[in-house]
Amino acid sequence: NAGVTQTPKFRILKIGQSMTLQCTQDMNHNYMYWYRQDPGMGLKLIYYSVGAGITDKGEVPNGYNVSRSTTEDFPLRLELAAPSQTSVYFCASSSSGGPLAGELFFGEGSRLTVL
Amino acid sequence: AQSVAQPEDQVNVAEGNPLTVKCTYSVSGNPYLFWYVQYPNRGLQFLLKYITGDNLVKGSYGFEAEFNKSQTSFHLKKPSALVSDSALYFCAARSGAGSYQLTFGKGTKLSVIP
Repeated sequence: NAGVTQTPKFRILKIGQSMTLQCTQDMNHNYMYWYRQDPGMGLKLIYYSVGAGITDKGEVPNGYNVSRSTTEDFPLRLELAAPSQTSVYFCASSSSGGPLAGELFFGEGSRLTVL
Repeated sequence: AQSVAQPEDQVNVAEGNPLTVKCTYSVSGNPYLFWYVQYPNRGLQFLLKYITGDNLVKGSYGFEAEFNKSQTSFHLKKPSALVSDSALYFCAARSGAGSYQLTFGKGTKLSVIP
């Protein structure tokens, strides 16, 4: 019973490099989200998707891109890494957009450091 | 714009004593309210939610939360704290009017002292 799986768990990037954080879920959830967590700041929504082929910006989308070609996968792409993107990234999913939309299932996080 | 405030960065409580973690919110329309817990180096786990109905909601691990519409609050409570309850707790809110964006508070670190 894997739930939401994120890879890699840790990554160090140099400024200007690119990378993709992978996220996959096996619960057949339509809704998927990417958050970043900075110390003392809570979680900020980067992008979300309400189904395959549909994505939308959250609160802090600059510097990131996403795609949703399948129900299971929701990768997050960083094109030109900057020190401000040093953070812990969480992928989450939920089964619907109604009342259950706030009942999220989270992955274990990906800790990214940009030097 | 939605906002969630957790006024205490840290709460310390003795084992066996009751605990309260405070949360206030600001959303348009009827709020959907949630509490999550995060243990070190782990993702967040859902604890409980208020959508409608009884103002006192019960959740996992003996936690409960009280919705107070007039004070726009949703405080998390537990009658008797355990050392294993020590973790980071997040309150979250969204508007019931179709928004997909869940707004989180900054989190409160709960330390239960043996």
